[in-house]
Amino acid sequence: DQQVKQNSPSLSVQEGRISILNCDYTNSMFDYFLWYKKYPAEGPTFLISISSIKDKNEDGRFTVFLNKSAKHLSLHIVPSQPGDSAVYFCAALNQAGTALIFGKGTTLSVSS
Amino acid sequence: KAGVTQTPRYLIKTRGQQVTLSCSPISGHRSVSWYQQTPGQGLQFLFEYFSETQRNKGNFPGRFSGRQFSNSRSEMNVSTLELGDSALYLCASSLSGLLEQYFGPGTRLTVT
Repeated sequence: DQQVKQNSPSLSVQEGRISILNCDYTNSMFDYFLWYKKYPAEGPTFLISISSIKDKNEDGRFTVFLNKSAKHLSLHIVPSQPGDSAVYFCAALNQAGTALIFGKGTTLSVSS
Repeated sequence: KAGVTQTPRYLIKTRGQQVTLSCSPISGHRSVSWYQQTPGQGLQFLFEYFSETQRNKGNFPGRFSGRQFSNSRSEMNVSTLELGDSALYLCASSLSGLLEQYFGPGTRLTVT
């Protein structure tokens, strides 16, 4: 059973517009949520995280929103740039800190 | 500061063989984790080592094992390879746990 789901395998956005990547989870005991970005032939790079006690965290062009009642989080990228084209993974850390569970990823394509 | 390095970058093995992958973490990092990435399953946590001890383990069969040396370098071993073990194996290091991990570029293993 998949505990972290990224239901959209791909997303295409024009440069300058907003990109919204979504992630759903099933376990209400997750303590932290993270977003990673991955370019081909490279390992994932940490982007931004949010604690389960918060509902928003912002870092430059990247903002993550957490809706605990819906068990849903989203990553907003504003404005989107061609260099943002990559695979984005959502991940959740359990309360004990013993497991980091990833979604299957969403491929973002930003066209100029 | 040098990043996480993994060797080899590419590997082709035959079903039934065994393989050892190596990971050198960022200097000062004591936690090393291993992940398997496949198109169908995304990124899956294999195990984490901290100070030469396996601290956490994902849901993989016993054919997957690892170890960590006193200099924090880690190796992962897969015995009796199966076709389904073909994947990108990623190593990640951090100061102390599964948050704020830095990933290496991965080792692409192909089992024929």
